[in-house]
Amino acid sequence: QKEVEQDPGPLSVPEGAIVSLNCTYSNSAFQYFMWYRQYSRKGPELLMYTYSSGNKEDGRFTAQVDKSSKYISLFIRDSQPSDSATYLCAMSEPGDGNNRLAFGKGNQVVVIP
Amino acid sequence: DVKVTQSSRYLVKRTGEKVFLECVQDMDHENMFWYRQDPGLGLRLIYFSYDVKMKEKGDIPEGYSVSREKKERFSLILESASTNQTSMYLCASSFGFRSGNTIYFGEGSWLTVV
Repeated sequence: QKEVEQDPGPLSVPEGAIVSLNCTYSNSAFQYFMWYRQYSRKGPELLMYTYSSGNKEDGRFTAQVDKSSKYISLFIRDSQPSDSATYLCAMSEPGDGNNRLAFGKGNQVVVIP
Repeated sequence: DVKVTQSSRYLVKRTGEKVFLECVQDMDHENMFWYRQDPGLGLRLIYFSYDVKMKEKGDIPEGYSVSREKKERFSLILESASTNQTSMYLCASSFGFRSGNTIYFGEGSWLTVV
């Protein structure tokens, strides 16, 4: 079993729809959870960061963590064509010396005008 | 804003050439990383460094080496480039645990080996 599983998509939605992305993981020690957005031929940029369980909202973006189910989600409300990108989830354990992130393979999202 | 700069965006090299990819960060981060990204394989860690002159192997270090002589600079070296090293290479940096291990990426270097 891969440490982090993410459906690669692609996911096509009409403009204005809600986009729902998720990742599952196997390591119960993960405490830090991140979502990165990557536009074509660009480096990933940090979109959302969450520590432990719960929800975090930033504008049209909401990140959710359910540690009991080992499941994290990203929701994009009122999606725009500019949201078309690949979204990668990432996570890590706490503590010094654990500097490595485990990444999902990314989920390509296309928002159709 | 965090700035991670990769000096070369697009390179074409011949098989057997020595290739240097340079990366500089301006946030005084202790940790720096080199990844490669390939379709269907996602991001794979090549090497990382948690201090000057320190390095640790990642998941796919074979065929690569790194150098970190200054805190802000981390170089990836392909001693003898091969066609299977054609890829997008991403440099990243972080404060590590103190910032929840969030890492910040550069724009990427597209390397084609012919």
